[in-house]
Amino acid sequence: GQQVMQIPQYQHVQEGEDFTTYCNSSTTLSNIQWYKQRPGGHPVFLIQLVKSGEVKKQKRLTFQFGEAKKNSSLHITATQTTDVGTYFCAGRAGTGTASKLTFGTGTRLQVTL
Amino acid sequence: DAGVTQSPTHLIKTRGQQVTLRCSPKSGHDTVSWYQQALGQGPQFIFQYYEEEERQRGNFPDRFSGHQFPNYSSELNVNALLLGDSALYLCASSLLGLGNQPQHFGDGTRLSIL
Repeated sequence: GQQVMQIPQYQHVQEGEDFTTYCNSSTTLSNIQWYKQRPGGHPVFLIQLVKSGEVKKQKRLTFQFGEAKKNSSLHITATQTTDVGTYFCAGRAGTGTASKLTFGTGTRLQVTL
Repeated sequence: DAGVTQSPTHLIKTRGQQVTLRCSPKSGHDTVSWYQQALGQGPQFIFQYYEEEERQRGNFPDRFSGHQFPNYSSELNVNALLLGDSALYLCASSLLGLGNQPQHFGDGTRLSIL
């Protein structure tokens, strides 16, 4: 079945440093979504990417979808303590509206002052 | 505008018992998906309900079953509980008719099996 891996599993940075998490799927994706889960919380939707090579920005966050639609990345510039949490990518392999979402293994980000 | 609500928040059961978890979707949503999230892992898709039918299913045994009611709320039932079923169970809702929409998650039910 479809597998979605993320690296690194964990990263600890000092506030102000940059952070990147990478997401790789075993199959070609129709679209990919990114979620953030704070400690003790539930996943919260950040963004969806659909087109090959697509790049989207949300303030300090930059999301990319690979040309082959099998990988994606999330880059955070100048991290803040509010960025702490686990970041998950989640991909859909099918084109149907009911195609299931497969979550990645997640990258846990810790930010200290 | 109420978001996704789940009940109960915590539950403790013993091996072999059965459990029912409940979910009310976000107002205006018609699709409910259930996920199992073990500690330190990503959510694993269990199944999705739309129009009171199971539309998609992940790699979970038949011990996991569900139901969707006419008001779009949903239940997840797990029979013959195993220690490995201990996890956070998340419900997520979306509006299927608009295509691949983001999932809106509830706070989850933390299930512990003794």
